[in-house]
Amino acid sequence: NAGVMQNPRHLVRRRGQEARLRCSPMKGHSHVYWYRQLPEEGLKFMVYLQKENIIDESGMPKERFSAEFPKEGPSILRIQQVVRGDSAAYFCASSQGTGDMNTEAFFGQGTRLTVV
Amino acid sequence: GESVGLHLPTLSVQEGDNSIINCAYSNSASDYFIWYKQESGKGPQFIIDIRSNMDKRQGQRVTVLLNKTVKHLSLQIAATQPGDSAVYFCAENIRSLLTGGGNKLTFGTGTQLKVEL
Repeated sequence: NAGVMQNPRHLVRRRGQEARLRCSPMKGHSHVYWYRQLPEEGLKFMVYLQKENIIDESGMPKERFSAEFPKEGPSILRIQQVVRGDSAAYFCASSQGTGDMNTEAFFGQGTRLTVV
Repeated sequence: GESVGLHLPTLSVQEGDNSIINCAYSNSASDYFIWYKQESGKGPQFIIDIRSNMDKRQGQRVTVLLNKTVKHLSLQIAATQPGDSAVYFCAENIRSLLTGGGNKLTFGTGTQLKVEL
């Protein structure tokens, strides 16, 4: 059973370009979470999605950032018109559900975005 | 605002000694706590969790203690090994009545554990 798969592992974008980060959850997992980690800091929650629904996007910047988790295919975190401050590691996590027995989240290896 | 934080940014221990990493949290509504290990260039790796109705839980070489009275969490690693060198994060699960909680985690800033030979 493959773990959470994120691609690309490293992404370089020039200021003003778009960045697309992909996340395939573990098999059987229908809940996806995106986190951002700045150097030498903890992870910060961005958004929580289930298939075709955004459940909680309280951590998402109001502009330029969007996320989706379509019925088919991976979850996508999209950053438009990137700026240098967007440079960070973006981690995706997945879990089976929200019940007491299924709260453990498994993390991917992350996508390291560098904006030049 | 609510926050999770760690007391020590760096902890150096001798190989074979026990390590204790501490964490303070302020959200009394949190009912689930997790310790993660993050090695350089990798994603967080689940170590152990504990629910708020417990005060101690043991795993393989690791023990998590929860003191709800003072909102304190600790991770104890027995017989620390070089492979334990990493950054350790505590995280709390904020359960929202609106969203069902899920795994919206609040992470602390991390403690760097260095194991000296």
